Amino acid sequence: GNSVTQMEGPVTLSEEAFLTINCTYTATGYPSLFWYVQYPGEGLQLLLKATKADDKGSNKGFEATYRKETTSFHLEKGSVQVSDSAVYFCATEAGGSYIPTFGRGTSLIVHP
Amino acid sequence: NAGVTQTPKFQVLKTGQSMTLQCAQDMNHNSMYWYRQDPGMGLRLIYYSASEGTTDKGEVPNGYNVSRLNKREFSLRLESAAPSQTSVYFCASSEIPGQGGYTFGSGTRLTVV
Repeated sequence: GNSVTQMEGPVTLSEEAFLTINCTYTATGYPSLFWYVQYPGEGLQLLLKATKADDKGSNKGFEATYRKETTSFHLEKGSVQVSDSAVYFCATEAGGSYIPTFGRGTSLIVHP
Repeated sequence: NAGVTQTPKFQVLKTGQSMTLQCAQDMNHNSMYWYRQDPGMGLRLIYYSASEGTTDKGEVPNGYNVSRLNKREFSLRLESAAPSQTSVYFCASSEIPGQGGYTFGSGTRLTVV
């Protein structure tokens, strides 16, 4: 079956530091890849997505590139802010499948 | 505001009590889902409904039942609550699985004592 592996957290950074959260996946076919963000006390929100190899998803300064050769979709941001503190989930959805696969989430803590 | 609405937001039950968690979406999405989120376990799929009139089990269906009442509404029922069902429950919907991503509700925090 499909699986998603994320780096364990928490990731603790100072404001304006560079962020990378690693995500690798296993899936059959050509899945779409997603990053979701969950702020405290809220549900998950779609942050960005990529639907085919070499696509780059981006939103709010975050980026991730669909790397089929390394089966990876790492999340990056050049300069994090305190307001980026949240839990980030990597996910894969295989076309035609109604069951997505989520990673376990990576907590990000940004200090002023 | 368009989105997924869950009620209630908080609930405390005694062991053995029953309750129904409500979920409604106004985006005309075909598929709807119920997840539970527990510390260290990530998100686990309880049940899903690929389209109106169909429901299927997910990873952890035991102790739960669902009803897809119409295209908008998908409810989750606990017939006899147990402490192991203490969790945060999220409803989600998707227009086209595999392509567009999911829209989540804000969650129901359930405690069973």
